[in-house]
Amino acid sequence: GQSLEQPSEVTAVEGAIVQINCTYQTSGFYGLSWYQQHDGGAPTFLSYNGLDGLEETGRFSSFLSRSDSYGYLLLQELQMKDSASYFCAVRSSWGKLQFGAGTQVVVTP
Amino acid sequence: EAQVTQNPRYLITVTGKKLTVTCSQNMNHEYMSWYRQDPGLGLRQIYYSMNVEVTDKGDVPEGYKVSRKEKRNFPLILESPSPNQTSLYFCASSGLLSGGTVDTQYFGPGTRLTVL
Repeated sequence: GQSLEQPSEVTAVEGAIVQINCTYQTSGFYGLSWYQQHDGGAPTFLSYNGLDGLEETGRFSSFLSRSDSYGYLLLQELQMKDSASYFCAVRSSWGKLQFGAGTQVVVTP
Repeated sequence: EAQVTQNPRYLITVTGKKLTVTCSQNMNHEYMSWYRQDPGLGLRQIYYSMNVEVTDKGDVPEGYKVSRKEKRNFPLILESPSPNQTSLYFCASSGLLSGGTVDTQYFGPGTRLTVL
């Protein structure tokens, strides 16, 4: 079957570093992306990995290892506004995108 | 302003009464998609469209129809809604010919649908 696994919740203090892991099992693989969603809002795109390695975008970085079917999102210098749900998503065909169940990140003062 | 719009934003209806949720984007994007979001399940793809007149099923297409007659619009049709279609629906788009990929999607604000 096809599945994406990510932790349900992570709690950290302001200024800390958080890593959200995502393991996947899909019939095809074209890329791994990450989205952020605040309560009551729409998902917004954060980062994309089509090839193995690290992608850095400001305080956020994403990593992919296709041989391990594994990726992670790294949030550095956590701020209160980073409290949100984070979803990994795998593109399993030209147009199909499958999302994980999401990780709730709670940032405390 | 570049955006994806959905209408209505909130809808309460009854079982069996046909409804359409509209989605429109002003970014000339080729790719458009519909998702439903339910607690604990993340987003699940209903249908997607790679371009005008090209649509395909996502993971949960049963009970839904779509059409793509114009590039900017991608309506979602529920011909006979049932209570298990109560959910939060998102439309999304991405520009494949302008440097984007299917993975980099812009989402609309969402439509909260309740079917009684």
